[in-house]
Amino acid sequence: GAVVSQHPSWVICKSGTSVKIECRSLDFQATTMFWYRQFPKQSLMLMATSNEGSKATYEQGVEKDKFLINHASLTLSTLTVTSAHPEDSSFYICSASDRGGGSWISEQYFGPGTRLTVT
Amino acid sequence: SQQGEEDPQALSIQEGENATMNCSYKTSINNLQWYRQNSGRGLVHLILIRSNEREKHSGRLRVTLDTSKKSSSLLITASRAADTASYFCATTSGNTPLVFGKGTRLSVIA
Repeated sequence: GAVVSQHPSWVICKSGTSVKIECRSLDFQATTMFWYRQFPKQSLMLMATSNEGSKATYEQGVEKDKFLINHASLTLSTLTVTSAHPEDSSFYICSASDRGGGSWISEQYFGPGTRLTVT
Repeated sequence: SQQGEEDPQALSIQEGENATMNCSYKTSINNLQWYRQNSGRGLVHLILIRSNEREKHSGRLRVTLDTSKKSSSLLITASRAADTASYFCATTSGNTPLVFGKGTRLSVIA
């Protein structure tokens, strides 16, 4: 149980275009989803936290108008990278939790990641 | 912001040897978790240790937690080439999501 999928697994897009990445919880209701970004040989950096039906909370330094997050249902969150540039090329990983608010004692369940390359 | 700091950043050992990685963090935590990530792939959850626990085992993995020193260690015994990966510690505190350390890149040479 507790499977999280991401689609696509990799994507190449041209500079200036937008790309959408989907994150789905397959067998549980994800009240909260998280988006992380990972540059090569670096750690995962939290970009934003989204709760179903409400606006995402972005970490300091993450442009909310550039990285649009929608968590419209309890099983789906999307991250749209708008007007992508080569510096946005990265590995984007989502995770999901079935605990809203409160304690994060249980693990977050991670998706397999999406590799974005902007040319 | 990053909470955990792994040490060493990179580790290269021979197959069969033990590998020890350390993680230090800054604030009080609810729990600390270790993850493995193969190159270009997603995360694999290895083990979770709660703040009131001091040691935990899972197969060839042994994790310790010292809350007084705000540190944890991950020991992989009898390492195998397949253990080659990056290893991250991650912590939660209060109402925050997981915050990851910088990771240790482990290379196990056959």
